[in-house]
Amino acid sequence: DAGITQSPRYKITETGRQVTLMCHQTWSHSYMFWYRQDLGHGLRLIYYSAAADITDKGEVPDGYVVSRSKTENFPLTLESATRSQTSVYFCASSEASGVAEQFFGPGTRLTVL
Amino acid sequence: DAKTTQPPSMDCAEGRAANLPCNHSTISGNEYVYWYRQIHSQGPQYIIHGLKNNETNEMASLIITEDRKSSTLILPHATLRDTAVYYCIVRVAGTSYDKVIFGPGTSLSVIP
Repeated sequence: DAGITQSPRYKITETGRQVTLMCHQTWSHSYMFWYRQDLGHGLRLIYYSAAADITDKGEVPDGYVVSRSKTENFPLTLESATRSQTSVYFCASSEASGVAEQFFGPGTRLTVL
Repeated sequence: DAKTTQPPSMDCAEGRAANLPCNHSTISGNEYVYWYRQIHSQGPQYIIHGLKNNETNEMASLIITEDRKSSTLILPHATLRDTAVYYCIVRVAGTSYDKVIFGPGTSLSVIP
C-alpha cells in the first residue's frame, strides 16, 4: 500500500547496542524527517533530509546517525543506545514544495534497558 | 523555545464547535501557521495551514488575526473522534526545517 511505514513498530534493546529504525515512503517525497516524542516535550526533530544524500541536523541530533542513499528510505541509527533514547520515534515525509504538509508514519516505540 | 503558545488542555461538548487558540506573537512575515493533531498512539496528522488569510478545508477552519500574532483552529462540529492533542507550529516555507518545533500542544477532550 502507498504511504509511509516504519519498522519495527516496537523494539527493546540494551544499553550500548546499535539499533536501526527503518522508514520507507512510497510517494517519492523529497523531504524526510525523524522526530522523537517524550512526555512533556512534544515532538522534537532529530534529523531531516531534503533529498537523497542530503541530510541536516534538527533540534536533538546527538547520539543518532542517518543516511539517505535512496529517496524512499531514511534509516535512523542509534550507534550506542542509551536509556535516555527510550522514546517513540516518528518518521515523516513531505513534498519539495515549501508549504507542503508533513505525512507521519505510525511510530516506533523503542525501549533501551 | 517554542515559538507558539497553546493552552495545555480544553474540553468541548460533542456536536459543538471546538475553538483552539494559538499565540505566535513573534511570527515573521514569511512564516506560515500549521496545525496538526495526534490521536493517541498514532502519528501526527496534518489539518490545515495558512499565511494571513482565513482558510477552510473539510476538516477545519483556520482564523488568523490581522496582526498575525494569534490564530484559532475551529472544528465546527466536534465528534468523539476529534479527541486528540493539537499542535500549532510556525515555519518559513521553502527553508530548512531545523527550527520547526512541535510544542506540547493542546489536549482536546470531546465530551459526550
